[in-house]
Amino acid sequence: EAGVTQFPSHSVIEKGQTVTLRCDPISGHDNLYWYRRVMGKEIKFLLHFVKESKQDESGMPNNRFLAERTGGTYSTLKVQPAELEDSGVYFCASSQGAGGELFFGEGSRLTVL
Amino acid sequence: AQSVTQLGSHVSVSEGALVLLRCNYSSSVPPYLFWYVQYPNQGLQLLLKYTSAATLVKGINGFEAEFKKSETSFHLTKPSAHMSDAAEYFCAAQNSGGYQKVTFGTGTKLQVIP
Repeated sequence: EAGVTQFPSHSVIEKGQTVTLRCDPISGHDNLYWYRRVMGKEIKFLLHFVKESKQDESGMPNNRFLAERTGGTYSTLKVQPAELEDSGVYFCASSQGAGGELFFGEGSRLTVL
Repeated sequence: AQSVTQLGSHVSVSEGALVLLRCNYSSSVPPYLFWYVQYPNQGLQLLLKYTSAATLVKGINGFEAEFKKSETSFHLTKPSAHMSDAAEYFCAAQNSGGYQKVTFGTGTKLQVIP
């Protein structure tokens, strides 16, 4: 069974550009989470989907970040326009139930120059 | 709000020595507690979790953690370090009751010296 997959693994863009990160959760997992780790700091919660609905988006930094989960399957996280402080590793995780074990992807490393 | 503190961003131990990684949580109500490990170029993997059953929790790869309510701690230990244990370890907490987001610590990189 495939795990959580994320694409791209690494993206380097210039300030002001747009980047879209994609996450494919484990099949059958209704819960999908986005987390971010800025270098050397803690892994911070961004938002949580249950199927296609946003359950909790309290961690989204600002309106330059837009997350979608079309049809309750894969999810995208768009940053537009990117700023230097957006650099970090973006992790996606999925779980079967809301309190179930989180399964993480390998992360997408974003570097904004 | 829940917070998790990991003492020591880097820990070095000799191969065969005891591994001790420290974690403290802030909640007055004992939460669910987790330890995750991240090996280079891999995603986070669950090592073990505490969900209010036994206070000593055994995980994979010989790791265990003890929940101590009086100290609000959940330290991770392994009696004898192996080279393959070199990785970054994250402590995390989740308040119980319905949906609650998981809060992570800042991580501890474990170096194992031959």
